[in-house]
Amino acid sequence: GQQLNQSPQSMFIQEGEDVSMNCTSSSIFNTWLWYKQEPGEGPVLLIALYKAGELTSNGRLTAQFGITRKDSFLNISASIPSDVGIYFCAGPELQGAQKLVFGQGTRLTINP
Amino acid sequence: KAGVTQTPRYLIKTRGQQVTLSCSPISGHRSVSWYQQTPGQGLQFLFEYFSETQRNKGNFPGRFSGRQFSNSRSEMNVSTLELGDSALYLCASSVVASSSYEQYFGPGTRLTVT
Repeated sequence: GQQLNQSPQSMFIQEGEDVSMNCTSSSIFNTWLWYKQEPGEGPVLLIALYKAGELTSNGRLTAQFGITRKDSFLNISASIPSDVGIYFCAGPELQGAQKLVFGQGTRLTINP
Repeated sequence: KAGVTQTPRYLIKTRGQQVTLSCSPISGHRSVSWYQQTPGQGLQFLFEYFSETQRNKGNFPGRFSGRQFSNSRSEMNVSTLELGDSALYLCASSVVASSSYEQYFGPGTRLTVT
C-alpha cells in the first residue's frame, strides 16, 4: 500500500521558534490532512488540503499542498508550550474511500 | 456538537479472551472507521462502516471484526486476543461526501493484553 514519510521524526526547539515539517509520498495524493495528537488522546484534525499548490492557515499553523501532489508541508510560527505533541500527515489510500494512510509522525518538544 | 465518544477508555484482558469496543460518532456522521495505533506500526486502518455495511477493510486477520448499527454507532470485536493486540484503538467518524476525507477521532480505547 501507499506509504507516507514524515521528517523530521522529532524536533526539540525553544519556545518562540518557528517549526517546519514535511510529508512525502511515492504516489500522488489528492487530499492531505494534518493531525496533532497529545498523550492519551486521539488525533485532532488541524488542516485539510484539497488542491495542489493550496496554502491554508489555522491560526499559527500553515500547511501547503505540494504542486507535485506527492508532498505536503506544515509550519508552526512562534511556537508555544501547548504545541507539544505528535503531528501526523494523512491521506486517503484510494480515491473515494474513507481509508486513511498515516505518516509515522513528527514528535515536537518545546523547551520553555 | 459532541465529539466522537469511545468506551471503555481502558481495558485489560488476558490472552485468548475476546473484547468488544464501542464508538458513538458525531451526530450526523454516517461513516465510522477504526484504526489501531502501536509504537511500532503507527496508525493502521482496520475497517470502515457506512449504512451498517463494511465498505473498506485493512490488512488485519479475521479475528478483528466490526459492525455498525442503524443509529451509526459502531462496535469492533477482537477474538482470541494475542499479546500483539495491545494497542490504542481509535474510532473516527466522517460526513459522507464524495470529496471529503476529513475524519474526526475519538480519544481511543487503550487495550492491554496480558
